[in-house]
Amino acid sequence: DVKVTQSSRYLVKRTGEKVFLECVQDMDHENMFWYRQDPGLGLRLIYFSYDVKMKEKGDIPEGYSVSREKKERFSLILESASTNQTSMYLCASSTNRQRELFFGEGSRLTVL
Amino acid sequence: DQQVKQNSPSLSVQEGRISILNCDYTNSMFDYFLWYKKYPAEGPTFLISISSIKDKNEDGRFTVFLNKSAKHLSLHIVPSQPGDSAVYFCAASSSGYTGKLIFGQGTTLQVKP
Repeated sequence: DVKVTQSSRYLVKRTGEKVFLECVQDMDHENMFWYRQDPGLGLRLIYFSYDVKMKEKGDIPEGYSVSREKKERFSLILESASTNQTSMYLCASSTNRQRELFFGEGSRLTVL
Repeated sequence: DQQVKQNSPSLSVQEGRISILNCDYTNSMFDYFLWYKKYPAEGPTFLISISSIKDKNEDGRFTVFLNKSAKHLSLHIVPSQPGDSAVYFCAASSSGYTGKLIFGQGTTLQVKP
């Protein structure tokens, strides 16, 4: 079974803090993604990566950056957290041979 | 610009009856469609998919129908069970594949015992 692990299930941070969300997948997938889920808005793509050290902006990249130094790990960084970044963050991975994404359990971030 | 739309935020059905969840899309380049199910505090899990070369795909109690001319797909759950209560997201992708999925807003299904 594919396993996508997100390091923190729940985080509470203060405005202006730097936040790191870590994601690791164990299936040697080429592609990794960060989405955020908000009520009424569905899942929106923040950033994705199709190879080590490669990254592409999704639909809502503002206020975020990412890092992919190793194939299995994809990190989402909030340089200076703001209250409108309070959300559920979902990491996913996929192989080039399938269209299906495999998701982690999510990280619920609250910015006060 | 919402390329994938689920216009019904919620749906309530009785156990044993049919649940029909709908999804519309605008981008004619989409050629593969997926449905995901999500319980609270968990990540979405893949349910069923359909390629644009088909108009129907069935897996047990779940059937997805695709109407390309109307740019519309639907998920049928028969019979519905209380454990099906969750948020359902439809998603679409296009060839020229980077693995990116575009998701709808989600529909919350409640199946009443």
